[in-house]
Amino acid sequence: AQSVTQPDIHITVSEGASLELRCNYSYGATPYLFWYVQSPGQGLQLLLKYFSGDTLVQGIKGFEAEFKRSQSSFNLRKPSVHWSDAAEYFCAVGGNNAGNNRKLIWGLGTSLAVNP
Amino acid sequence: GAGVSQTPSNKVTEKGKYVELRCDPISGHTALYWYRQSLGQGPEFLIYFQGTGAADDSGLPNDRFFAVRPEGSVSTLKIQRTERGDSAVYLCASSLGSSSYNEQFFGPGTRLTVL
Repeated sequence: AQSVTQPDIHITVSEGASLELRCNYSYGATPYLFWYVQSPGQGLQLLLKYFSGDTLVQGIKGFEAEFKRSQSSFNLRKPSVHWSDAAEYFCAVGGNNAGNNRKLIWGLGTSLAVNP
Repeated sequence: GAGVSQTPSNKVTEKGKYVELRCDPISGHTALYWYRQSLGQGPEFLIYFQGTGAADDSGLPNDRFFAVRPEGSVSTLKIQRTERGDSAVYLCASSLGSSSYNEQFFGPGTRLTVL
């Protein structure tokens, strides 16, 4: 079965501290992987995506993520968190096979709080 | 340019009523998606359009839910005989193409409350 697990429901970090949000997936084929951010009152915004090639991908707002096939993981990282990063973060997986459906399978999200 | 817009932003209705939720995708985007997000959950896929046709409607929970995209642009999600369990934020997204690597751009959502 296709699924995405985000083990941490809620994380609190201090401003300036490093951040790692975990994501594990189960997918029958080679996955496309995504991280989205949802701020209060805002729509979902794509932070970064992985399709192939370099397993370390860079995204917007200083975020990066590393695809580890052996661990079925795609963890999101940021070296120094800013107060404006407080939001809900979602990991999602999609198919890359021709003819495969295009829907994204989503995790439950991780809520990030940032202490000043 | 304009992003994905959804109307209304909030909809309160009574159990058993019929509702329509509208999505205006980004101009030129051929693919359109509907998701539902319940409180504390991630988005749940409902239906995906490529052009005017529903390419995948496997996420529609039952036959009370229906969506159309008659001219390949604006889409309407229709819910008949609403139930309290239908209360959620309904999200619309559009993308330039139908492949998974085409970024999906999301609208702000319509919050549906069924009393």
